[in-house]
Formats: sequence, C-alpha cells, structure tokens
Amino acid sequence: GDSVTQMEGPVTLSEEAFLTINCTYTATGYPSLFWYVQYPGEGLQLLLKATKADDKGSNKGFEATYRKETTSFHLEKGSVQVSDSAVYFCALSNTGTASKLTFGTGTRLQVTL
Amino acid sequence: GAGVSQSPRYKVAKRGQDVALRCDPISGHVSLFWYQQALGQGPEFLTYFQNEAQLDKSGLPSDRFFAERPEGSVSTLKIQRTQQEDSAVYLCASSPSTGASYNSPLHFGNGTRLTVT
Repeated sequence: GDSVTQMEGPVTLSEEAFLTINCTYTATGYPSLFWYVQYPGEGLQLLLKATKADDKGSNKGFEATYRKETTSFHLEKGSVQVSDSAVYFCALSNTGTASKLTFGTGTRLQVTL
Repeated sequence: GAGVSQSPRYKVAKRGQDVALRCDPISGHVSLFWYQQALGQGPEFLTYFQNEAQLDKSGLPSDRFFAERPEGSVSTLKIQRTQQEDSAVYLCASSPSTGASYNSPLHFGNGTRLTVT
C-alpha cells in the first residue's frame, strides 16, 4: 500500500538557519504530494503541494520539489523564523474519486533565537 | 469564512462508555474524512464520505467504530464501549470535490481529543 516516510525529529535550529525535512514515499501510479503544518494548538493546514514530477510547490518561503526518480518531496526553507516552529507532515494522495491522504509521522521543528 | 468545526474539543470517557464526536464541514463540501491521530504520530485514515454515501470505511479499527453523514453535511463518529487504546485526537476534514486531490485539498478541523480512563 501507499506509505510516507519522514525524518524523525525534533529538529532544532537557530533563527535564520537553513531547513531541510526529508520525505520519501511509496505509491502505485502517480500520487499528488503535500506538506501540511500543525502550529501549536491549531489544526492541520495545507502548506504546499505538487502534482507531477519536477513540479515545485512553494508557500511562505517554503519549497518542495516532486522528485519521481528518488520518490522524494523534501521540504526546504532558506531562513527559518521562530514563528515556523510547528510539526510538519508530508502526505500523498493517489488517484481516484475516493482518494485519501496518507500521512507521514510528522517532524517537529523548533526554532530558537 | 467558517472552517471545519468539531465538537467537543475535549472528551474524557470512562472505559466502556460510548462517545459521539461531531463534525461540521465547510458548507457545500462534497467529501468528508475522519482521521485518528495518536500522540506523536501522523493522522491515520478512518473513513470517507462522498455526500451521504460512506465509500470507504477500511480504516475503522473495529466494529465498535461507526460513522454516519445522513444528510450529506454534518457527520458523527461514534465509538462504542471505549477502550484505552482509543485515546487519540480525532480529526475531521472536508474537501469541495470528490476525494483528496491536488485540486481539492483537505481542510481540517482542530480535532477532538478523546481520553479514555
């Protein structure tokens, strides 16, 4: 079945550091890929998405590129802020009218001054 | 605009009690999903509705779990004879079209935290 593997956290960075959170997936067909973010006390929010190979999703300074050859969708940001502290989830959805999201286990990011 | 609303926000149940969790999706959204999120884990799929039809219930962990969406809007997740392993956050999500896709991403509620003592 479909699965998503994320790097384990927590990831602790100083403000303005470069961020990478690794995500790889296993799926049949051609899934769409997503990053969701969960800020403390809030619900899951869509951060960015990509639908086909070499697509780059971007939002709020975050980027991720759909790499079919390595089945990866790593999340990057050039300069993190304290306000980026949250849990980040990589997810995929496969094709079909009853497609659902399959999530990774999440990676907690803590950014300090 | 209004997002996905879930109630109650917190629920404490004694083992063996029945509980009912409510989800109000975004108005007009066709698809509704329930997920279970254990502490420190990612959300795990439970069940999917397209309007009032339950098209996928493959993630429900046992026959103690039951979900309904009788009029294609509000949904209720019921857990009978709760067990300690049912303690988790239960998330509801909706999307404007069929399924969860690039063009129809999921909008999540804040969840109901269930604690079974």
